[in-house]
Amino acid sequence: GDSVTQMEGPVTLSEEAFLTINCTYTATGYPSLFWYVQYPGEGLQLLLKATKADDKGSNKGFEATYRKETTSFHLEKGSVQVSDSAVYFCALNSGGSNYKLTFGKGTLLTVNP
Amino acid sequence: NAGVMQNPRHLVRRRGQEARLRCSPMKGHSHVYWYRQLPEEGLKFMVYLQKENIIDESGMPKERFSAEFPKEGPSILRIQQVVRGDSAAYFCASSPPRVMNTEAFFGQGTRLTVV
Repeated sequence: GDSVTQMEGPVTLSEEAFLTINCTYTATGYPSLFWYVQYPGEGLQLLLKATKADDKGSNKGFEATYRKETTSFHLEKGSVQVSDSAVYFCALNSGGSNYKLTFGKGTLLTVNP
Repeated sequence: NAGVMQNPRHLVRRRGQEARLRCSPMKGHSHVYWYRQLPEEGLKFMVYLQKENIIDESGMPKERFSAEFPKEGPSILRIQQVVRGDSAAYFCASSPPRVMNTEAFFGQGTRLTVV
């Protein structure tokens, strides 16, 4: 079945450091790929998405490129801020549906001043 | 997203009791989805409901679990005779009537602990 493997955390960085959170996937067909973020005390929010190979999703300085050849969707940000501290989830839509999401385990990011 | 309201935020139940988790979707949303996050795992899809209809329950355990989304009121995820293995975070999401290419908004989750 479909699955998502993402980098285990926790990840601790200093402000303005470069961030990469790795995500690879296994899926049948051509899934859409997502990054969700959960800030402390809040629900999951869609951060960015890509719907086909070579698409780049971007939002709030974060980027991820849909790489079909490596089945990857790594999340990057050039300069993190303390306010980026959160749990990040990589996900794909499963089984040909556009509502059933398969998530990775989540990566906790802590950014120190 | 603050728009999807789940309650309670934390729920403690003894083995054998019933747990009821509530989810009020965002205004104007008629599709609700429930996900479960077991410790050290990612969120896993459980069920997709529209008003008064279960559309897809392929992720629901066969026994003890049920879900509804009545015409009036919140969606309810009900777990009967809870066991320790039911301890998890349960997330609800909602989306507007047109599901294709629309974003699902998630609530804060209910953390169920079975003692």
